[in-house]
Amino acid sequence: ILNVEQSPQSLHVQEGDSTNFTCSFPSSNFYALHWYRWETAKSPEALFVMTLNGDEKKKGRISATLNTKEGYSYLYIKGSQPEDSATYLCASPNRDDKIIFGKGTRLHILP
Amino acid sequence: EAGVTQFPSHSVIEKGQTVTLRCDPISGHDNLYWYRRVMGKEIKFLLHFVKESKQDESGMPNNRFLAERTGGTYSTLKVQPAELEDSGVYFCASSQGARIHEQYFGPGTRLTVT
Repeated sequence: ILNVEQSPQSLHVQEGDSTNFTCSFPSSNFYALHWYRWETAKSPEALFVMTLNGDEKKKGRISATLNTKEGYSYLYIKGSQPEDSATYLCASPNRDDKIIFGKGTRLHILP
Repeated sequence: EAGVTQFPSHSVIEKGQTVTLRCDPISGHDNLYWYRRVMGKEIKFLLHFVKESKQDESGMPNNRFLAERTGGTYSTLKVQPAELEDSGVYFCASSQGARIHEQYFGPGTRLTVT
């Protein structure tokens, strides 16, 4: 069974501060890792798809790194803004190509 | 191009009642998926349609849940009779190919069973 774990579960960050959170996954039979940003009542928005060990991807103030050998990915947000408040989900497909999601990290940006 | 849409956005029903959720995938997408997120837990796969056929329904929790996709266009997910533990957000996603990085998610239906 593939377990995708995310930490912390919830995070409060002062506006302007930078932050990061973690997604861990079994390193064996790794295929890909996905990060999504989800605001309640909206569609989860795909942020990154990462496949190679050492991958680093960036989208504006958000970036992510991937370590497939040790089974973790970090998501970084630089200079947090109120619009960054959301739940950040990571997911990885298993052998049957089903998405296995983590529980998410709920990010609250404090003004 | 319109994205994946879901209706209703929110439904509140009493235990024992029936609710039908609808998903309209992106036009031309043969693959349609249903997922559910129960409060505080991870989003979990429910089932996968390819056109009108159920490709994989291994994630359906029990026989109170019935999904259909007649004609291979929109899909419905019926819960009958609803139980308290069915409360959560039900997501639909669609894709043209069967790879997950091609899936586009709808905004979800928040179901509350009281």
